Amino acid sequence: AQSVTQPDIHITVSEGASLELRCNYSYGATPYLFWYVQSPGQGLQLLLKYFSGDTLVQGIKGFEAEFKRSQSSFNLRKPSVHWSDAAEYFCAVGALSGNTPLVFGKGTRLSVIA
Amino acid sequence: GAGVSQTPSNKVTEKGKYVELRCDPISGHTALYWYRQSLGQGPEFLIYFQGTGAADDSGLPNDRFFAVRPEGSVSTLKIQRTERGDSAVYLCASSLFSGGADTQYFGPGTRLTVL
Repeated sequence: AQSVTQPDIHITVSEGASLELRCNYSYGATPYLFWYVQSPGQGLQLLLKYFSGDTLVQGIKGFEAEFKRSQSSFNLRKPSVHWSDAAEYFCAVGALSGNTPLVFGKGTRLSVIA
Repeated sequence: GAGVSQTPSNKVTEKGKYVELRCDPISGHTALYWYRQSLGQGPEFLIYFQGTGAADDSGLPNDRFFAVRPEGSVSTLKIQRTERGDSAVYLCASSLFSGGADTQYFGPGTRLTVL
C-alpha cells in the first residue's frame, strides 16, 4: 500500500529565505507525486505534479520539486519565500495504474516571519 | 471557469442526527472523489465515483456513511446517526478522467461539527 511521510509538522522561515519541505513516499512501482497547498478556509490547490521524465518539476508560484527515486523522496523547494506562502502543504502519491485515489501525508505547516 | 463547489460550507448538528453534504464538480469531469480531513491530518479517501457508479468505496468508515451521484454530476455524501468522531472537513474533488495520473481539483470543503 502507498504511504507518504512528511517529517516536519511545522516550519518557520524568514521572508526572502529559501525553503525546502520534505516528502518521502512508499510505493512498489513508479508513483505519481503531487504537492498541494491549503490556505485557511480554502480548498487544496495543486502546486505541481510528477509523472515521468525530467525529475525536476516546476510548478506555480515559483515552487519546484525534485523526484529522487533512490531516496523515495519528492521534496518541495522555493528559493525565496513570500509572506503569502504561509499555508499548509501536502504531499500526495497516486498509483500509476488503476483508479486508486490519492494518499496524502499529514502536511507541513509553513509560517513566514518578517 | 467554475471550480468544484461544496455546500454547505459549515454544518453544525447534534449527535444522532442525519446530514447531507453536497458537491458540484467541474462541468464535464467524470470522476468524483470524497475525502475527509481531520484536524492536523491530511485528507483521507472515502469514496470515488466514475460516472454514476461508486468505483471504490473502501474508505467509508462504516455503514452510516453513504454517497450517491445519480446523474453523474452532483454528488451527495450522507451520514446517518452522526457521532462526535465524524467532526471533520469533508472535501470533494473531481478530475476529467479517472486514474492516478489525472489532476484532482478540490472544493473548499464542508466543515462538519457534531455536538
